[in-house]
Amino acid sequence: SQQGEEDPQALSIQEGENATMNCSYKTSINNLQWYRQNSGRGLVHLILIRSNEREKHSGRLRVTLDTSKKSSSLLITASRAADTASYFCATVSGGANSKLTFGKGITLSVRP
Amino acid sequence: GAVVSQHPSWVICKSGTSVKIECRSLDFQATTMFWYRQFPKQSLMLMATSNEGSKATYEQGVEKDKFLINHASLTLSTLTVTSAHPEDSSFYICSARNPSGGAAETQYFGPGTRLLVL
Repeated sequence: SQQGEEDPQALSIQEGENATMNCSYKTSINNLQWYRQNSGRGLVHLILIRSNEREKHSGRLRVTLDTSKKSSSLLITASRAADTASYFCATVSGGANSKLTFGKGITLSVRP
Repeated sequence: GAVVSQHPSWVICKSGTSVKIECRSLDFQATTMFWYRQFPKQSLMLMATSNEGSKATYEQGVEKDKFLINHASLTLSTLTVTSAHPEDSSFYICSARNPSGGAAETQYFGPGTRLLVL
């Protein structure tokens, strides 16, 4: 079953603008991860934020986590046409054999 | 590092035949691999967790006799779709955990295999 729910489902922006994508989940988690998928390809891991962290940065990516609201956001600054892809949040709950549970994904289009 | 490959990248087969998909971790040993299925414009659905040297753990609703998983070595897991039917057409993606590099929770994904059953 899916845990994360991203919004918006689709986002179209101009190159250079910032893109903000949100993810909400239902149960308590160990960590939350964001992945990117280019059309017809596998997933690329972008960033992981643990349940005791509130914000993380990686290059042009900024992720926040609010465990009280069970939500996370992914901000891509100064977007590029190459950022066009689907973005998924995925949560990890449980112990050593924990598994990823993916949201439905957000389709981001960056217009050149 | 942490590269995962899949073979083949795409396959077309006739209904009733069996198809084997390989997932390899190229530069690390993966005791645990995962198999996902993705329909067009939808999310990834976990099918099963593959553990080296033991039986796979299947998710609810996934037929283990239809989707045979073998994790014979620390770098190879195979998914065999037996007696494939058109409804099995999908994008199959594997992933592997790298327990000795990066965050243990991070999974590294293969490029996927597109299966079309005629």
